[in-house]
Amino acid sequence: DTEVTQTPKHLVMGMTNKKSLKCEQHMGHRAMYWYKQKAKKPPELMFVYSYEKLSINESVPSRFSPECPNSSLLNLHLHALQPEDSALYLCASSQDPGRLEQYFGPGTRLTVT
Amino acid sequence: ILNVEQSPQSLHVQEGDSTNFTCSFPSSNFYALHWYRWETAKSPEALFVMTLNGDEKKKGRISATLNTKEGYSYLYIKGSQPEDSATYLCAHDNTDKLIFGTGTRLQVFP
Repeated sequence: DTEVTQTPKHLVMGMTNKKSLKCEQHMGHRAMYWYKQKAKKPPELMFVYSYEKLSINESVPSRFSPECPNSSLLNLHLHALQPEDSALYLCASSQDPGRLEQYFGPGTRLTVT
Repeated sequence: ILNVEQSPQSLHVQEGDSTNFTCSFPSSNFYALHWYRWETAKSPEALFVMTLNGDEKKKGRISATLNTKEGYSYLYIKGSQPEDSATYLCAHDNTDKLIFGTGTRLQVFP
């Protein structure tokens, strides 16, 4: 199984809502990543988890809260988002935190109203 | 070059044409250069991870070259097919994270 799955595919939420994005992989990968992609822009790294511990936070606002409950799962908790947070959120994993290819999920398209 | 730049932004070719596009990246703090293929509504798919200056990698009709001293990589597609239509992203690994370019959007017409 070389697949990274993400749920939901689409999410519309109000600025006062709390929601979560989920990501799952069963490849035994020990590094997992969240990226944000705005239209016509490159994917930008948000967080990296290495061996279930947060290793990189790219100065992401606290309204985004990542969580890694176990080595296969990665969540992104959303609270009090702004309309400018609307974007495609991509999850990825790699065998270890080193310089290896990353396997991406299809993304969650988030719209904040 | 401070960022990762890709050119052209988009490309339309006829089936059977060969094509190539460019990724430019900072030559300092280089560890690896990644190429990804991203079809609409699907996941980005890794094509190549290149680390050595002068490296050349091939997968079927797609190949890539790397020049780390001058900071560029070329991706070539020989005999383009409609199923090659996708956005091709490169990413510079600068030691602790990937920095992506904005991609080259390729459309191959039958």
